Amino acid sequence: KNQVEQSPQSLIILEGKNCTLQCNYTVSPFSNLRWYKQDTGRGPVSLTIMTFSENTKSNGRYTATLDADTKQSSLHITASQLSDSASYICVVITGANNLFFGTGTRLTVIP
Amino acid sequence: DAGITQSPRHKVTETGTPVTLRCHQTENHRYMYWYRQDPGHGLRLIHYSYGVKDTDKGEVSDGYSVSRSKTEDFLLTLESATSSQTSVYFCAIRQDRDRDTQYFGPGTRLTVL
Repeated sequence: KNQVEQSPQSLIILEGKNCTLQCNYTVSPFSNLRWYKQDTGRGPVSLTIMTFSENTKSNGRYTATLDADTKQSSLHITASQLSDSASYICVVITGANNLFFGTGTRLTVIP
Repeated sequence: DAGITQSPRHKVTETGTPVTLRCHQTENHRYMYWYRQDPGHGLRLIHYSYGVKDTDKGEVSDGYSVSRSKTEDFLLTLESATSSQTSVYFCAIRQDRDRDTQYFGPGTRLTVL
């Protein structure tokens, strides 16, 4: 069964600290993986895309990693800011362009 | 929001009433999608469209219908709303030149009493 599981469900960190969000998937055939950020009351916005051949990709303070062998991805946020408070959603896309969404990690950054 | 608007943004209705949600895009993209988002679930696809009058079912299409008579508008209709359809509904588009990225609208929060 195609599934995307994210952990933790929620996370609270102090401003300035780093954190890592996890995504495990069983989706096949794999095409690529995206991380989306969803602010409260808004639609999800794409942060980064990982293809099969990519291990690491950075977008500012966000760094995504992908291990296609173990079917795991992580999103690392460095020097967190209050504006990073949001839900982060892992999405795995198949070759047929079917999307499988994780339930998200709710990140709260406190001063 | 990639030129995507949704209306209404909030709606409260009663069980058994019909409800229509509207998604409007300004960039003439072929592919449009309707999702629902509920606590404990990832976004789930309801219906999608790949052109005017061309639509197909998604994972959770029961109780929903869609129509697309113009490229820019994709309508989602609940013929007879039920409490289980209380949710946040998101419209999304896919750009023709980037089939791997979907851009989401701001969402419609629907409450069925």
